[in-house]
Amino acid sequence: DTEVTQTPKHLVMGMTNKKSLKCEQHMGHRAMYWYKQKAKKPPELMFVYSYEKLSINESVPSRFSPECPNSSLLNLHLHALQPEDSALYLCASSTSRGLELSADTQYFGPGTRLTVL
Amino acid sequence: QQPVQSPQAVILREGEDAVINCSSSKALYSVHWYRQKHGEAPVFLMILLKGGEQKGHEKISASFNEKKQQSSLYLTASQLSYSGTYFCGTVAGGTSYGKLTFGQGTILTVHP
Repeated sequence: DTEVTQTPKHLVMGMTNKKSLKCEQHMGHRAMYWYKQKAKKPPELMFVYSYEKLSINESVPSRFSPECPNSSLLNLHLHALQPEDSALYLCASSTSRGLELSADTQYFGPGTRLTVL
Repeated sequence: QQPVQSPQAVILREGEDAVINCSSSKALYSVHWYRQKHGEAPVFLMILLKGGEQKGHEKISASFNEKKQQSSLYLTASQLSYSGTYFCGTVAGGTSYGKLTFGQGTILTVHP
């Protein structure tokens, strides 16, 4: 089973709202990722968690706040977003063989399509 | 730095073959190939590690030329289900582990 689930599937929010995206996997993976994908563009890495610790933050604005409460769950808290933040937000997970994330296969969830009004 | 994919788009008839290329200016540790259909998540196809290996997955295979920092994805006897956008993702040596950088994508369309 290589399933990563994400909720909600669609989210519409105003610029003053606070919302959260949720990602879950039960494959025993110890690395989890957030990507942002704009239309007709490739996914762009935002954050990487390895063993529940934030290991990569790709200079993402603070209005995006990741959280990894346990090894199966990854959240992305959203606050005061801008219309240009509208995109597909993808979560992925991989096995994380210690420092060998480079050789890991990342499995993607279906994504949350976010629209900021 | 983003890898460069070519061609940008390919149109095929069922049964025809295609090659998608991915090149990087950096020394690569691994190359990952994904296919994404419209409105869906990227689906993993295969991973190639430095060492020049070639891998196969049904009628889809790939190679990695470590000296040239290039990878190619080979699709043979294409099927309608092969349609989608193909992305190569690369992990460059010396970068933060886990950082996968995707090329701009190649749109593959297979017609009956």
